[in-house]
Amino acid sequence: SQTIHQWPATLVQPVGSPLSLECTVEGTSNPNLYWYRQAAGRGLQLLFYSVGIGQISSEVPQNLSASRPQDRQFILSSKKLLLSDSGFYLCAWARGAGSNYGYTFGSGTRLTVV
Amino acid sequence: GDSVTQMEGPVTLSEEAFLTINCTYTATGYPSLFWYVQYPGEGLQLLLKATKADDKGSNKGFEATYRKETTSFHLEKGSVQVSDSAVYFCALSNGKTSYDKVIFGPGTSLSVIP
Repeated sequence: SQTIHQWPATLVQPVGSPLSLECTVEGTSNPNLYWYRQAAGRGLQLLFYSVGIGQISSEVPQNLSASRPQDRQFILSSKKLLLSDSGFYLCAWARGAGSNYGYTFGSGTRLTVV
Repeated sequence: GDSVTQMEGPVTLSEEAFLTINCTYTATGYPSLFWYVQYPGEGLQLLLKATKADDKGSNKGFEATYRKETTSFHLEKGSVQVSDSAVYFCALSNGKTSYDKVIFGPGTSLSVIP
């Protein structure tokens, strides 16, 4: 069966520090991968998606970036965190090419920038 | 573009009450429709889905029927429990592109009191 792992579960970082959040998927190949952010009391904002190794599309301009160095690995990064980067970050995967199975989400990373 | 609208929350119900959370959508073609649930501090889980008109998705006592004539996918449960307290997201996927983007509604927070 397929599983998705996200870490760390919680993170407290000072303003201006770098960030690296990792997401890996097991039990499937060539998944579509997504990073979402959920600010406190608000809905989901799609940040990045990827349909293959090295292929990254950004939905909103910001000081975050994403990379996909391996088929089942998706990394969210920042060189210098801002207070506004605080939130709950969710990774998700889906079968590709027009699937209607929906997403499977990881358990999330709660990031607090202080 | 495609969009999802949900009733405003928070919704507070007594245990064993009947639940309805309204969801309507705007989309071209024939999207698949989903309900996701997010328990406190966790990622999102797929609750149920429907892939074509008049389909009924069901899971854990929750039901939703895909109504194309009214572009709706309302979530219902006959008797809620305290353990149903969570945030519920309605979503659609049109599957028109290779990245199979899912559009989420803003979420409806449900609190069930004993």
